[in-house]
Amino acid sequence: RKEVEQDPGPFNVPEGATVAFNCTYSNSASQSFFWYRQDCRKEPKLLMSVYSSGNEDGRFTAQLNRASQYISLLIRDSKLSDSATYLCVVMPPSNTGKLIFGQGTTLQVKP
Amino acid sequence: DGGITQSPKYLFRKEGQNVTLSCEQNLNHDAMYWYRQDPGQGLRLIYYSQIVNDFQKGDIAEGYSVSREKKESFPLTVTSAQKNPTAFYLCASTTRDRVFGYTFGSGTRLTVV
Repeated sequence: RKEVEQDPGPFNVPEGATVAFNCTYSNSASQSFFWYRQDCRKEPKLLMSVYSSGNEDGRFTAQLNRASQYISLLIRDSKLSDSATYLCVVMPPSNTGKLIFGQGTTLQVKP
Repeated sequence: DGGITQSPKYLFRKEGQNVTLSCEQNLNHDAMYWYRQDPGQGLRLIYYSQIVNDFQKGDIAEGYSVSREKKESFPLTVTSAQKNPTAFYLCASTTRDRVFGYTFGSGTRLTVV
């Protein structure tokens, strides 16, 4: 089983739609969780951290479910500019700071 | 402005050659990391360093070497022993508490010709 698993997609949605991505992780003792966005042929950029209580940043909402070991990202009112690959990222329990990356979920927002 | 600079942006290597990828940061971050990304795949950890003069192998270290002589710099050498080096290489750094995840450089795209 992969340490971090995501549905690669692609998810094709119309502008204005709401879309949700899920991600599962294997190590129940994992400490920190993030969503990164990666545009084609560019470096990943931090979209948001994921907190136990859930957190929201504008149109983006992240949730963590420790009991089921998954995190989610909800995007409301999708824009064309949201088209990208979204990487689920988990920090396992260690003092190394290593992050484990999922393979990413590709989102295409269509006009 | 603070950030991470990777160079070159594109690099072409002949079979049997060693090449070195540069990574410099002015964020005063303690920890630095090298990842490799292949098409349609997630990032895989090559090497990482938490302090100067110390580094550790990641999941796919074979055929690569690093050094950390200065806090700001973490160069990666792709040796001739790396049989399939064509990939997108990303350098990252983070603070000691790692609360805010990584900051990435813009990457080096290496192609074997």
